Amino acid sequence: QQQVKQSPQSLIVQKGGIPIINCAYENTAFDYFPWYQQFPGKGPALLIAIRPDVSEKKEGRFTISFNKSAKQFSLHIMDSQPGDSATYFCAASIMDSSYKLIFGSGTRLLVRP
Amino acid sequence: SAVISQKPSRDICQRGTSLTIQCQVDSQVTMMFWYRQQPGQSLTLIATANQGSEATYESGFVIDKFPISRPNLTFSTLTVSNMSPEDSSIYLCSFYRGTTEAFFGQGTRLTVV
Repeated sequence: QQQVKQSPQSLIVQKGGIPIINCAYENTAFDYFPWYQQFPGKGPALLIAIRPDVSEKKEGRFTISFNKSAKQFSLHIMDSQPGDSATYFCAASIMDSSYKLIFGSGTRLLVRP
Repeated sequence: SAVISQKPSRDICQRGTSLTIQCQVDSQVTMMFWYRQQPGQSLTLIATANQGSEATYESGFVIDKFPISRPNLTFSTLTVSNMSPEDSSIYLCSFYRGTTEAFFGQGTRLTVV
C-alpha cells in the first residue's frame, strides 16, 4: 500500500520528442504527488507537483496528468532537450501528517541531439 | 533557493568502522529526513529527525545502526555504525521549505571496503 510503481525504467527519445513517464499508487491517503529530477552526483530537485483535486498541471515544458480514479499519474516533457537527460522520480506523500516521501523506482531519460 | 550542505561528499571506509554524515541547512526547519539511495536505485527513507525528540525510524532501519542527532533547527547528523559492504550507498538529507517543497543535499557517497 505504501509503494509507488514507476515505468519505464529507462527511456530514449530524440530531441523535440515527448517522453512520458508513468506512476501508479495504491494508498488513497496520498494527497501530494511530486516529480523530482536528479542529475549524476546531485541530490533530487523538485520539478513539478500536483494535488489530487486537479487532473493536470503544467509548468513550462513539464506537465503532470493525474487520474484519481485509476490511481495513476504521469509526467510529460514537451519539446525535450538533451539537457533534460537525467533520472526522474515520481513520489507520493501524505501532507499534514508525516510528510515523508515514498519514491518510485526512477526512470533514466536520455534525450539524443 | 534553499541551501543545504552535506559533508562529507564521499568517503571510503573500512568495514567495522563508523562514519558520521553532517547536514547543515541555511534556515531553521522543523523536520529533517535522511534517505538512502543505492547506486542506480530509488530513495528509501531511513528516518525522520525532529529537533528535541527521538528520530522516527522506518521499517528495516534501527537506531543502533543509524543513530541520528538533531541538536538544533539547522543541523543534523546521521551515523552509519559498524559498517559492512552492504552499507555502500548514497546517503541524503532532506528538509521541507514551506509545506510542499522538499530540498535534498548533494548526498554522501559511501563505499565500505
